[in-house]
Amino acid sequence: AQTVTQSQPEMSVQEAETVTLSCTYDTSENNYYLFWYKQPPSRQMILVIRQEAYKQQNATENRFSVNFQKAAKSFSLKISDSQLGDTAMYFCAFRAGAGSYQLTFGKGTKLSVIP
Amino acid sequence: DAMVIQNPRYQVTQFGKPVTLSCSQTLNHNVMYWYQQKSSQAPKLLFHYYDKDFNNEADTPDNFQSRRPNTSFCFLDIRSPGLGDAAMYLCATSGIRGGNQPQHFGDGTRLSIL
Repeated sequence: AQTVTQSQPEMSVQEAETVTLSCTYDTSENNYYLFWYKQPPSRQMILVIRQEAYKQQNATENRFSVNFQKAAKSFSLKISDSQLGDTAMYFCAFRAGAGSYQLTFGKGTKLSVIP
Repeated sequence: DAMVIQNPRYQVTQFGKPVTLSCSQTLNHNVMYWYQQKSSQAPKLLFHYYDKDFNNEADTPDNFQSRRPNTSFCFLDIRSPGLGDAAMYLCATSGIRGGNQPQHFGDGTRLSIL
């Protein structure tokens, strides 16, 4: 079974600064997919960024980028130029390849952006 | 905008009184999921529909059931809610099952048990 660990229950960052959220996972699969989801207070969970394990290049989406270290089984999220709207719960999630449907979530990191 | 809509946002029911939560989608996605999310915890998958094919997770209590009358709607039925069932219930959809396809979530229904 896969496990996803987010070791930082809470973090804070000053507006306009950069913050990195960590995520590690455990799997014996070689082909899989990794996701970061954002859940703002009382709002829906939305996809921030995703990474296919077979791709060596780190995914980027505007101010969001990942540092994917396959050998270390690490998938951290970097948020640059933090904005107040980035305040949310962030969940790292894993899905095995080969037709697997299940997303395994970490426990989440609560990020607060301070004005 | 295409979206996943959950009603109601907040639901209060009495201990042991059946309750139904609803989810609708305008994305025309084949797959619909129901998650339970307790405070400060990760979402936990209860079951999902792949088209009309129902898939129950092994550890989902028998107290929880689901119906999908058509592509757009999916319902979560809790037959006899207990205090431990108080949680946020999230509905999600995806176009296909698996791969790099993200799941699209609704706002959730927060269920309270009196």
